[in-house]
Amino acid sequence: AQSVSQHNHHVILSEAASLELGCNYSYGGTVNLFWYVQYPGQHLQLLLKYFSGDPLVKGIKGFEAEFIKSKFSFNLRKPSVQWSDTAEYFCALTGANNLFFGTGTRLTVIP
Amino acid sequence: DTAVSQTPKYLVTQMGNDKSIKCEQNLGHDTMYWYKQDSKKFLKIMFSYNNKELIINETVPNRFSPKSPDKAHLNLHINSLELGDSAVYFCASSQVGRGQSTFGSGTRLTVV
Repeated sequence: AQSVSQHNHHVILSEAASLELGCNYSYGGTVNLFWYVQYPGQHLQLLLKYFSGDPLVKGIKGFEAEFIKSKFSFNLRKPSVQWSDTAEYFCALTGANNLFFGTGTRLTVIP
Repeated sequence: DTAVSQTPKYLVTQMGNDKSIKCEQNLGHDTMYWYKQDSKKFLKIMFSYNNKELIINETVPNRFSPKSPDKAHLNLHINSLELGDSAVYFCASSQVGRGQSTFGSGTRLTVV
């Protein structure tokens, strides 16, 4: 069965700190992986995606994620966070005709 | 142009009422979804429609019924609303084989 796990429920960082949010998945076939971001009071937006090819994918706003097949992971990173990165981050996996979401990680960036 | 639009954005209603949330997409996608986001921000798939056929129906109460007049629309009708139905409901669409979904802005439903 497909599943997505995000073990960090709430992460608090100071501005300029480096960020890494964990995402692990369970799926028996070829995976498509995504990170979505939800800013306070707004709808979900696609941050980045991995379908195939280079396992290091670049997204918007300086975010990147690395697909490590052997670890079933797709962690999200940013070298230096800003206050405006405060949001909820969701890792997701496609399976059949559906998306499976992790439970989300709340990021709070302190100025 | 809004790719996936939901109406209304906010909905406050009393227990026992029947309400509908509308969703329209202009992306030409062939699959549409309804997700429920609870107070803990957890997203759960409720329904998925592909070419006007229900292809995934999670174990949600039968008070919830999706209605799709055409592949650009997927409305969510809820009967006999309960307090526990309070949540944000997101509509989304995607194209088979591409995986990536585009989300609407959400409808915040509050049942009092």
